[in-house]
Amino acid sequence: EPEVTQTPSHQVTQMGQEVILRCVPISNHLYFYWYRQILGQKVEFLVSFYNNEISEKSEIFDDQFSVERPDGSNFTLKIRSTKLEDSAMYFCAISYNEQFFGPGTRLTVL
Amino acid sequence: RKEVEQDPGPFNVPEGATVAFNCTYSNSASQSFFWYRQDCRKEPKLLMSVYSSGNEDGRFTAQLNRASQYISLLIRDSKLSDSATYLCVVNMWSNAGNMLTFGGGTRLMVKP
Repeated sequence: EPEVTQTPSHQVTQMGQEVILRCVPISNHLYFYWYRQILGQKVEFLVSFYNNEISEKSEIFDDQFSVERPDGSNFTLKIRSTKLEDSAMYFCAISYNEQFFGPGTRLTVL
Repeated sequence: RKEVEQDPGPFNVPEGATVAFNCTYSNSASQSFFWYRQDCRKEPKLLMSVYSSGNEDGRFTAQLNRASQYISLLIRDSKLSDSATYLCVVNMWSNAGNMLTFGGGTRLMVKP
């Protein structure tokens, strides 16, 4: 099973601040995904990233969100101006058919 | 209509019991099917993929009925460690890659 780490494990921020969540796959992968899970709700797809560009995104992934792979290994999700409703677990996933998830970052927006 | 629908439970069963979960999906173009397990405040972990012919992995058996758009998971000889939320997941391949669509999960509690 591929391994994925995510940092930080918990991020607390003030509304309106920018946050960057990081995902580091242990081995090389072409496909990356971000999902989020609001407490008590289902896991929701945000975006898929292939060959260094966005391949698919959901309605949730609006202009406040962006993704990049700045150095060929880390895969980041940036939220430009956080809102209270952005509070959730954010999971990075890798692979193509069967997806494997990282441990997640808990984002708390105050 | 929800894309992937599951009974949220909880299912409370004694150790050693057999328990079955069901799931229905709305998009007939869905191509791949999975069961994930999620422990409280943890990431989803792949339990098994689900194939049209049905498949078994130890105490776990998954079935797919494409005509009825229905997926099932059977757990035999339940263990305390099986207590978790079981997520029914489908995806639809496209040239852009694939995105997983999750059900809300079915919570299982196995009691001694």
